[in-house]
Amino acid sequence: DTAVSQTPKYLVTQMGNDKSIKCEQNLGHDTMYWYKQDSKKFLKIMFSYNNKELIINETVPNRFSPKSPDKAHLNLHINSLELGDSAVYFCASSSRASGRLADTQYFGPGTRLTVL
Amino acid sequence: AQSVTQLDSQVPVFEEAPVELRCNYSSSVSVYLFWYVQYPNQGLQLLLKYLSGSTLVESINGFEAEFNKSQTSFHLRKPSVHISDTAEYFCAVSAGQGAQKLVFGQGTRLTINP
Repeated sequence: DTAVSQTPKYLVTQMGNDKSIKCEQNLGHDTMYWYKQDSKKFLKIMFSYNNKELIINETVPNRFSPKSPDKAHLNLHINSLELGDSAVYFCASSSRASGRLADTQYFGPGTRLTVL
Repeated sequence: AQSVTQLDSQVPVFEEAPVELRCNYSSSVSVYLFWYVQYPNQGLQLLLKYLSGSTLVESINGFEAEFNKSQTSFHLRKPSVHISDTAEYFCAVSAGQGAQKLVFGQGTRLTINP
């Protein structure tokens, strides 16, 4: 009954490679996000999709490309990986139902990416 | 733009002692405030949130936080901590109508000593 799941949990790869991280939510939410947590534990939003449409894109290098095939999935593809991409990547989801003041975001367990 | 400052990067306390984790925010519009907890090697879990109404909000495991608009603060407190409360705590803000982007503070590592 996992709410927000991510695969893989750990990803170790060489510089220059291309890799993908997958995210799925079974909460029926219509909005999904990717956050990056650096080595100092600082969390920063990267992207947000609402109903498969990109609504937030925070000055992320264009080597990062999110893809949302449907409302329940938001994948993150990274081209030409660099050392500085090493981090923990968190997926989250929320419901942007009308009338809500703000949407509680539910986070996945994270994917620890290590670029060698 | 919004920002969040967590004043303490680390807070060590003894078991059963009270604790306060400080959080201040800045925003030019109305805000919604959250505390998330991250246990070792896990994702973030929502601890409590302030959206509107009563300025004092509580979690199911004994934490509470008070929204103070004049001091732009949302400090987290617990009167008596347990070893299992050892974790990283993040304060976050989202702002404006239909706010969706969470802006996080730097995190506070709470360590409970026996």
